[in-house]
Amino acid sequence: GNSVTQMEGPVTLSEEAFLTINCTYTATGYPSLFWYVQYPGEGLQLLLKATKADDKGSNKGFEATYRKETTSFHLEKGSVQVSDSAVYFCALRRAGSYQLTFGKGTKLSVIP
Amino acid sequence: NAGVTQTPKFQVLKTGQSMTLQCAQDMNHEYMSWYRQDPGMGLRLIHYSVGAGITDQGEVPNGYNVSRSTTEDFPLRLLSAAPSQTSVYFCASYQDENSPLHFGNGTRLTVT
Repeated sequence: GNSVTQMEGPVTLSEEAFLTINCTYTATGYPSLFWYVQYPGEGLQLLLKATKADDKGSNKGFEATYRKETTSFHLEKGSVQVSDSAVYFCALRRAGSYQLTFGKGTKLSVIP
Repeated sequence: NAGVTQTPKFQVLKTGQSMTLQCAQDMNHEYMSWYRQDPGMGLRLIHYSVGAGITDQGEVPNGYNVSRSTTEDFPLRLLSAAPSQTSVYFCASYQDENSPLHFGNGTRLTVT
């Protein structure tokens, strides 16, 4: 079946530090890959996505590249801000399916 | 511009009580779903619907019922609440596989 594994947190970084949150997946075929972000007290919202191999999704300074050969979709940001403190979820959707499979989430705290 | 609206925001139940979590969307989305979020478990799909009159089970359906009589509404019913159902519940919708999943702000349920 489909599964998503992401690095366990919590992750604590100082402002302007470099961020990487690892995500690997198991799926048949060519799934679409997503990063969602959840700010305190809110629902999840889409951060970025990639729909085919070697695609790079980007938004708000965050980037992730769909790597078919390593089945990975790692999230990166060059310089984090306090406002980036949130829980980040990696997810996949199998082609032709409406359902998303989520990772367990990684909590990021950025300190001034 | 309401999006996905969930009510109530908080609820406390005693074991054995029943209740309905409400979810409504005003974006005319065909697909709607219910997730529960538990610490260390990420989001797990409870039930989903691909259109009015059509529902199906997700990963963790036991103890929950759903119906979809209109495109807008997708209520989740707990027939006899158990402490294991203490969780944060999220409703989500989207139009098709090329559009993002829109989440409500969640209902925090405690069963004592």
